[in-house]
Amino acid sequence: EAGVVQSPRYKIIEKKQPVAFWCNPISGHNTLYWYRQNLGQGPELLIRYENEEAVDDSQLPKDRFSAERLKGVDSTLKIQPAELGDSAVYLCASSPGGGPTDTQYFGPGTRLTVL
Amino acid sequence: GDSVTQMEGPVTLSEEAFLTINCTYTATGYPSLFWYVQYPGEGLQLLLKATKADDKGSNKGFEATYRKETTSFHLEKGSVQVSDSAVYFCALSVTSGTYKYIFGTGTRLKVLA
Repeated sequence: EAGVVQSPRYKIIEKKQPVAFWCNPISGHNTLYWYRQNLGQGPELLIRYENEEAVDDSQLPKDRFSAERLKGVDSTLKIQPAELGDSAVYLCASSPGGGPTDTQYFGPGTRLTVL
Repeated sequence: GDSVTQMEGPVTLSEEAFLTINCTYTATGYPSLFWYVQYPGEGLQLLLKATKADDKGSNKGFEATYRKETTSFHLEKGSVQVSDSAVYFCALSVTSGTYKYIFGTGTRLKVLA
């Protein structure tokens, strides 16, 4: 079974530039999560999708971050414009359902460096 | 608010030593508790979980018991191996009005041969 796929694995951009991250979840997983992990910290949930609907985006900085999940499968997370403080690893995860006991399956992450 | 606190690392042990990584939590409602592991160069993966009080999760020789009275979920292993070297994250999930999935800051374990 293929795992969660993310691309790119690494991205270096200048501040004020836009950037996008892509995620393909495990086939059949209805729930998709985006996390941000700062250096030396645990992941912080940014947004959660149930199929194509964003059901929890309370931690997403909406002034510069946006996300979409077309057709309830792949998802894209965008930052525009990027700031120095956005440097982090962006993780995508998926789970079969969205319940609190469900196991989340994580991708390898995209490491973003903003110069 | 809801939170997870785990012991700071790094933790350095010799092979075959006993491991304990402490994790305590604060949560409204009835959380589920998880330990995730991140091996070098890899993504996070679930190690074990417990969904109600007194449950014991176990996997690969690791164990953790959901202690509601002490709000703890300490990770233990009787005899660590070099291959256990990784970063370990304690996490909780709870749905009380809104869905929350909260990770601790991680504890790096280094096992020496």
